[in-house]
This record gives sequence, structure tokens and C-alpha cells, in this order.
Amino acid sequence: SQTIHQWPATLVQPVGSPLSLECTVEGTSNPNLYWYRQAAGRGLQLLFYSVGIGQISSEVPQNLSASRPQDRQFILSSKKLLLSDSGFYLCAWNLERLYGYTFGSGTRLTVV
Amino acid sequence: AQSVTQLDSHVSVSEGTPVLLRCNYSSSYSPSLFWYVQHPNKGLQLLLKYTSAATLVKGINGFEAEFKKSETSFHLTKPSAHMSDAAEYFCVVRAGGSQGNLIFGKGTKLSVKP
Repeated sequence: SQTIHQWPATLVQPVGSPLSLECTVEGTSNPNLYWYRQAAGRGLQLLFYSVGIGQISSEVPQNLSASRPQDRQFILSSKKLLLSDSGFYLCAWNLERLYGYTFGSGTRLTVV
Repeated sequence: AQSVTQLDSHVSVSEGTPVLLRCNYSSSYSPSLFWYVQHPNKGLQLLLKYTSAATLVKGINGFEAEFKKSETSFHLTKPSAHMSDAAEYFCVVRAGGSQGNLIFGKGTKLSVKP
């Protein structure tokens, strides 16, 4: 069966430090992959999506970047974190955008 | 494999009239089903959940949903819409076990006209 793994679950990082959040999907091939952020008091915001290896689309200009080095691996990165990068980050996948999304358990990032 | 389909991307009702948001699921076994709501600029909020107890589930703000296994449906209803109900609603199924992934539908945007 298909599952999505996301880690770490929680992370506290100082301002200016780098970031790497990893997401992997099992049990499927060539999924669409997404990174969402939910900032405190705000809704889900789509950050990046990918329809294939090396193909990244950015929805919102920001301090973050994404990469897809393998078919079922999606990485969210930053070279220097800002306080405003704090939030709850969710990775998701689907095969067809019509059919909804499967979300990982999320990473709670606090930048201090 | 589990999946969830929300049949309407947008529903518009008048204040005081009933609300029906449709959801169909696919699951290999007895599913856990949820409805979440997301108001503009707010986080996801759990409205109600079904976990194999009573098939009619009552949630917050007057919403309820009925689990119908024969129809593989879990439609969300409210007898009388209020302006504050305008939001996006997500039907969700948990994929296997208490630690399984949550599978979200596309979402249905509910508009409420005065």
C-alpha cells in the first residue's frame, strides 16, 4: 500500500541556519509531490509541487527551495532560515490532482 | 487502496437554507472518516469524525454527517446555513490503522448568500 513518510516531526532551528526536510513516498511510481505550509492562524499554503524528477514549480516566492532527486523523494530546503519560516510543513502526494491528496504527518518548525 | 472524492468543488446556498456537501470514499476495510473546515486565513479545524461507532455523527456548529456503507458515502449536512459557515470543507479518510496517513479530498468551497 502507498504511504508517505515525513521527518523530522519537530524541529527548532536558530535564525540563519540551514534547513532540510525530507519526504518519501512508498508503493507508487511517478507521483505528484507537494510541499505545503500552514503558518499559525493561516490556512494551508502550497509552496512547491513536482510532477517528476528534477521538475519543481514554485507557487510562492520565498526563502525556501525544493528538490526532487529521486522519483519518490521530495526535499524542502533553505540556506538561511528566517523567523517567518516558522510553521507546520506538510508533504503530500497524489497521482491525479483531481483525486485529492495524501498528506504526511507534518513537521513543526520553530525558528528562534 | 483508500481514496476520497468530493463531488462538488463549489456549493452556494442562501442563509437559512440546508447545506449538503457530498463525499464518497473507497476503502478496503472499515474506514475512519473525518470532515475538516478551513476558514479564510485560519488553520484546519476538525468538524466531526466517524470511527465505526454510531453511523450518524454530530459535529460542531450544527453540522452532522451520516456514514452509509452501502453507498460508500459520508455526506456533510446542516439544516440551516449561517454566514459564518462560508469556508472550504475537506472530507478525509484515514488509510489503515490509527497511525495511517490522512487522505484529503479536493475540498468543497461553501459560499453563503445573505
